[in-house]
Parts: sequence; structure tokens; C-alpha cells
Amino acid sequence: GNSVTQMEGPVTLSEEAFLTINCTYTATGYPSLFWYVQYPGEGLQLLLKATKADDKGSNKGFEATYRKETTSFHLEKGSVQVSDSAVYFCALASYGNNRLAFGKGNQVVVIP
Amino acid sequence: GAVVSQHPSWVICKSGTSVKIECRSLDFQATTMFWYRQFPKQSLMLMATSNEGSKATYEQGVEKDKFLINHASLTLSTLTVTSAHPEDSSFYICSARSRGTSGIDEQYFGPGTRLTVT
Repeated sequence: GNSVTQMEGPVTLSEEAFLTINCTYTATGYPSLFWYVQYPGEGLQLLLKATKADDKGSNKGFEATYRKETTSFHLEKGSVQVSDSAVYFCALASYGNNRLAFGKGNQVVVIP
Repeated sequence: GAVVSQHPSWVICKSGTSVKIECRSLDFQATTMFWYRQFPKQSLMLMATSNEGSKATYEQGVEKDKFLINHASLTLSTLTVTSAHPEDSSFYICSARSRGTSGIDEQYFGPGTRLTVT
């Protein structure tokens, strides 16, 4: 079945540092891949997506590239801000299926 | 953008009692709602999908008699945890999709409800 694996543990970094959150997946066929962000007290929001191999999703300075050969969709941002502190979830949905499979999420804390 | 609310945001109940969690779409009509559960340090797991006016479809391993889902209107779905036990303690999240949409992009999430059963 479909599954998503995110790197273990919270991520703490200083403002303007480079952020990477790893995400790998297992799926049949050609899934669509997503990153969601959850700010404190709010619902998950779609941050970016990619629907086919080599696609790059981007939004708010975040990027992730769909790598079929490594089954990965790592999230990156070149210079984080305190306002980026949130929980980030990697997710996938199989082609033609709107049911999402999520990773465990990573808490990101950006220190001024 | 579309807003989904949940109530309560957190609840503590005694073992054996039932708890109802509400999920509302505030500014759109939600023909489909999804209920997820997240245990500490675990992934969000889809529990069930409900379409307005019809019975919910439960994922494998989810007890439909324990987790009662009602989607009686286009703006409200409820999840009732019946005869709750400590192992039901979890974070419950709903999401909603509006009429005429089918993509993941159009699925909006609530902020979640923390349930603690003592």
C-alpha cells in the first residue's frame, strides 16, 4: 500500500538558515505528492504539490522536486523566517484517488 | 479561502462515556468530509469518508459502531466516539471538500480536536 516516511524528530534552526525536510514514499503507480503546513491552532494547508516525475512544486519560498528514481519529495527553503515555524506534513495520493496518505509530520521551530 | 472549524478543540472525558466532535464548513457547502486520527508521533490516518446524506465509508480496521459519523447537512459532520477508552485518546482532524470539486487541492482541513480519555 501507499506510505510516506518523514525524517524523525523536530527541526530547530536559526532565522535565515537553510531548511530541508526529507520525505520518501512507497506507492503503486504514479502518485501525486504534496506538502502541507499546519500553523499553531489552524488546520492543515496545502503548501505545494507535484503531480509527475521531475515536477517542482513551489510556494512561499519553499520548493520540492518529485524524484521518481529515489522516490523522494524533500522540502527545502533557502532562508527561513520565524513565521515558518509550524508542522510540515508530506503526503501522497494515488492517481485518480483523492485519499491522502500522510507522513508523521515534522515540527519546525525557527529561532530569531 | 475556505474555512473549516472543529468543536471542541480539546476535550477530556471519562472512560465509558461518549464524546461528539463537530466539523463545520463555514463558507462553503461540503458534500464530502473526511475524518482522520493522529496518535502521538504517528501519521495522520484516514478513518472514514462521509458524503452528505449517505452513510460513511470506513477504512479497514476502523470500527463503525464505535466511531459514529453523521453528515446530515452540507455544512456539518459529526464524529461520535462511543464508550471511549484511554486507547481512543488521539488528535482527530476533519477535512471537507466542496460541491463540484474532486481534487486534493480543494480539500480543506479543520484545526483538529484533542481527545483525552481518562
